[in-house]
Amino acid sequence: DSGVTQTPKHLITATGQRVTLRCSPRSGDLSVYWYQQSLDQGLQFLIQYYNGEERAKGNILERFSAQQFPDLHSELNLSSLELGDSALYFCASSVQNTGELFFGEGSRLTVL
Amino acid sequence: GENVEQHPSTLSVQEGDSAVIKCTYSDSASNYFPWYKQELGKRPQLIIDIRSNVGEKKDQRIAVTLNKTAKHFSLHITETQPEDSAVYFCAATRAGGTSYGKLTFGQGTILTVHP
Repeated sequence: DSGVTQTPKHLITATGQRVTLRCSPRSGDLSVYWYQQSLDQGLQFLIQYYNGEERAKGNILERFSAQQFPDLHSELNLSSLELGDSALYFCASSVQNTGELFFGEGSRLTVL
Repeated sequence: GENVEQHPSTLSVQEGDSAVIKCTYSDSASNYFPWYKQELGKRPQLIIDIRSNVGEKKDQRIAVTLNKTAKHFSLHITETQPEDSAVYFCAATRAGGTSYGKLTFGQGTILTVHP
């Protein structure tokens, strides 16, 4: 158990819909990262938050947005879903300046 | 931006043999190179990492080497065991302050260790 909690574990929805994925980082970790893992794209960095502020952005689509709340949990919002958005979405957290990322178990999104 | 190439995409070895996975990176400013292991249906977990101020690091049966000039780094697993079977990802980033997490991952290597 990494200490990072993600919900839901599985989600099935239809094209055009909107979903929210939730992540609670390890106790004390200020940084939260979102990654997308699909078969053909590997692990892709989406976005990083540090203590409530956006710190770095990867190849995140405009249809996707995220935020980190004062209690440090984070949400990833995916809207106008397309078939190609089907993937495993990982959240990770880290202690500042150590480098190691602790990944949650992931949220598997299936868009039909 | 950074680009990481990883080879081979699949690797099959007999138990007890050694396994080597190689990665190249494009951004000469990258200075942190972790390796993650992902078992089937599980989350990625860090197994070893190396920073650009060292050329080699070992942890029991696992070692990583880094050649900054050539911009490549490798994972070496000795005396492989069936439980080493997993997907291995290399990654690279220009780390500093709170910026460790924007990792660029390689495409992964599926390692299968046959008993």
